[in-house]
Amino acid sequence: ETGVTQSPTHLIKTRGQQVTLRCSSQSGHNTVSWYQQALGQGPQFIFQYYREEENGRGNFPPRFSGLQFPNYSSELNVNALELDDSALYLCASSLDRGYEQYFGPGTRLTVT
Amino acid sequence: SQELEQSPQSLIVQEGKNLTINCTSSKTLYGLYWYKQKYGEGLIFLMMLQKGGEEKSHEKITAKLDEKKQQSSLHITASQPSHAGIYLCGADIRSGGGADGLTFGKGTHLIIQP
Repeated sequence: ETGVTQSPTHLIKTRGQQVTLRCSSQSGHNTVSWYQQALGQGPQFIFQYYREEENGRGNFPPRFSGLQFPNYSSELNVNALELDDSALYLCASSLDRGYEQYFGPGTRLTVT
Repeated sequence: SQELEQSPQSLIVQEGKNLTINCTSSKTLYGLYWYKQKYGEGLIFLMMLQKGGEEKSHEKITAKLDEKKQQSSLHITASQPSHAGIYLCGADIRSGGGADGLTFGKGTHLIIQP
């Protein structure tokens, strides 16, 4: 049990729609990272938030955006969903930048 | 090509046997993390290594980071059914500060045969 929770567990959306995924970090953790994991692959880094500001970004288009709130919760928003966005989305919180990251259980997104 | 290569891709081991999983990078590993994942679930943190030559153990699992900080190995002694799953290595290979997130290998699928 990492203390990191994500909602919803599963989600089915239609191509072109928008989706918001939520994450609750461990209390006191000021850094949250989001990853996308396609079937059979390792997680791919989307972006990281540190003290409510984007701190780094992977090779994902601007339609992937995020927010981090003072209460240790965060969101991943994806606009104009594409079929290839179907994946397991993982958030990971850490005490600070460069510290070990603790992952949530993930949200399984299916785009039809 | 994959920046972080894991080998083998899959492994079937008889219960009670030892096994080793490797993780190799052409770049310096600023922080090497080992995680375990059950199919379709989140990642469970196992160990973090930062210094060249560092070795850590937890229960029957030992992880090492080589002196050059470009290769790590995960060794399981006397494997049990509870060890089955996907083992992932993740590393900060770009900046050393973690701002670019972790780069992961594709994982090693471990099956334990009774």
